[in-house]
Amino acid sequence: DAGVIQSPRHEVTEMGQEVTLRCKPISGHNSLFWYRQTMMRGLELLIYFNNNVPIDDSGMPEDRFSAKMPNASFSTLKIQPSEPRDSAVYFCASRPGAAHNEQFFGPGTRLTVL
Amino acid sequence: DAKTTQPPSMDCAEGRAANLPCNHSTISGNEYVYWYRQIHSQGPQYIIHGLKNNETNEMASLIITEDRKSSTLILPHATLRDTAVYYCIVRVNSWGKLQFGAGTQVVVTP
Repeated sequence: DAGVIQSPRHEVTEMGQEVTLRCKPISGHNSLFWYRQTMMRGLELLIYFNNNVPIDDSGMPEDRFSAKMPNASFSTLKIQPSEPRDSAVYFCASRPGAAHNEQFFGPGTRLTVL
Repeated sequence: DAKTTQPPSMDCAEGRAANLPCNHSTISGNEYVYWYRQIHSQGPQYIIHGLKNNETNEMASLIITEDRKSSTLILPHATLRDTAVYYCIVRVNSWGKLQFGAGTQVVVTP
């Protein structure tokens, strides 16, 4: 099993540009999570999908952020327009079955907005 | 929501047991305690979780006090590769939201 796959691993962009982060969850997992990690705020949950449906997006910081899950094997997190304060490491995680099961995290995408 | 309190850092000698404490005095009866760790520049990694009984797996042991207000993660024989930030988390809601705190930075020294 390849684990959770994220791309790109590193992204450097300029303020105002659109950024799209991609995630492929582990096959068979029905829950998907996007997190953001910064030194100042630590690891924060942005959005949670269950069976491809967004269940909780209360952590999405503002309208510039959007996430989609068109099918069980793919999700995107888009930032448009990007700002320097969006610089962070973005993690995707997936989870099988019940709510008490473990989450499997991907390697993360390090985003730098200049 | 139940919150957790962990020491910010601790050192451990290679080959010795590492005992990581966590307080969760406001935990409710149906909330699980989870431990994850994050090695530098990697995504968090699940270690173990429990409800009220002690648990053991190939990575660690979890000891939960009888009143469930605190727990201890035990790494039985720490190696240099166990150097990481360790997070103690109480599941926040019904769909399993995990709220990560600052964790404990564990440094294993030769």
